Amino acid sequence: RKEVEQDPGPFNVPEGATVAFNCTYSNSASQSFFWYRQDCRKEPKLLMSVYSSGNEDGRFTAQLNRASQYISLLIRDSKLSDSATYLCVVNNGGGFKTIFGAGTRLFVKA
Amino acid sequence: DAMVIQNPRYQVTQFGKPVTLSCSQTLNHNVMYWYQQKSSQAPKLLFHYYDKDFNNEADTPDNFQSRRPNTSFCFLDIRSPGLGDAAMYLCATSGGQADQPQHFGDGTRLSIL
Repeated sequence: RKEVEQDPGPFNVPEGATVAFNCTYSNSASQSFFWYRQDCRKEPKLLMSVYSSGNEDGRFTAQLNRASQYISLLIRDSKLSDSATYLCVVNNGGGFKTIFGAGTRLFVKA
Repeated sequence: DAMVIQNPRYQVTQFGKPVTLSCSQTLNHNVMYWYQQKSSQAPKLLFHYYDKDFNNEADTPDNFQSRRPNTSFCFLDIRSPGLGDAAMYLCATSGGQADQPQHFGDGTRLSIL
């Protein structure tokens, strides 16, 4: 089992749609969680950190479920500019070892 | 404005010819990371420095080395590049707490002839 797993997609959605991604992680000692977005042939950019109580930033909502060991990202009112690969990132148990998921590809179409 | 700067953006080298990639930061962050990312794959952590303390991942090949002469600079040395080392190499930095996010440079795309 991979340490961090994501559905690779692609997700093809129309503008204005709501889309959700899940990410599971295997190490129950993991303490820090993030979502990054990566555009084609570019570097990853932080989208948001994921906090235990869940957090929202505009159209984006992140949730953490420690019992089931997954995090989620919800995007509301999708824009064309949301088209990218979304990477789930887990800090593996207190140190600085960071594990990236392989990413979920999102295409938003007009 | 760029806070994590990688040079060069594109690097072409010959099979077996040593190559060095560089990374600098203006964030004064404690931690610097090097990742390898191949097409359609996740970035894979090679190693990181916490200040001068070097932390190598267990599965990082010996062919990959790193140096951090000061807080601002970090180098990735590939001693004898093979065809399988062609990839994007990403440098990132973060503050001194493990729950802080990482900031990435633009990456160096390495090609091997």
